[in-house]
Amino acid sequence: GAVVSQHPSRVICKSGTSVKIECRSLDFQATTMFWYRQFPKQSLMLMATSNEGSKATYEQGVEKDKFLINHASLTLSTLTVTSAHPEDSSFYICSARDPGQPIYEQYFGPGTRLTVT
Amino acid sequence: RKEVEQDPGPFNVPEGATVAFNCTYSNSASQSFFWYRQDCRKEPKLLMSVYSSGNEDGRFTAQLNRASQYISLLIRDSKLSDSATYLCVVNIITGGFKTIFGAGTRLFVKA
Repeated sequence: GAVVSQHPSRVICKSGTSVKIECRSLDFQATTMFWYRQFPKQSLMLMATSNEGSKATYEQGVEKDKFLINHASLTLSTLTVTSAHPEDSSFYICSARDPGQPIYEQYFGPGTRLTVT
Repeated sequence: RKEVEQDPGPFNVPEGATVAFNCTYSNSASQSFFWYRQDCRKEPKLLMSVYSSGNEDGRFTAQLNRASQYISLLIRDSKLSDSATYLCVVNIITGGFKTIFGAGTRLFVKA
């Protein structure tokens, strides 16, 4: 089946620094990727939809200047958490849609656990 | 009101038990429905799609009631390995594509 990778799987950073998370589709070209955040014991919350070659669409309440998304190629989307704070500590998961598959098919990356100290 | 609501859990059941999870959704524009399984500190993995006609995959049976906006998952003959969080997931297509996850129901199967 389709594979999506994320890097890094775990990152610890100091408050005020920026962190970049990569999401790659390994065996298909993803025109659309999604970024989710999951706090402990809560559901995945969609942060933004990343479209290749255009600006990302952010969900209400998600600061686009804080969470920078770049989808410059059909196989790579990046999420940069700028000026990270402890409250940004969370599990960040990306997913990708294969345009050759039904619209509802999403393939999830393994997630990135961010800890801001 | 949350767009997708699930049983609060956790469910603690012995091996071999039958357990049922319920989920309701509020957006009538919901198009497709799924159950995902999420293990601790891992990404969600698709368990099965949910159709109005009902569908069964081994020990798992899923059912959709569009009129009541209700989804269910039945697990028969529970195994220790079924212990996980089960997420009810709804796709909404209205001018765009959006996936809404329920908060999940935690299942513990004990020997």
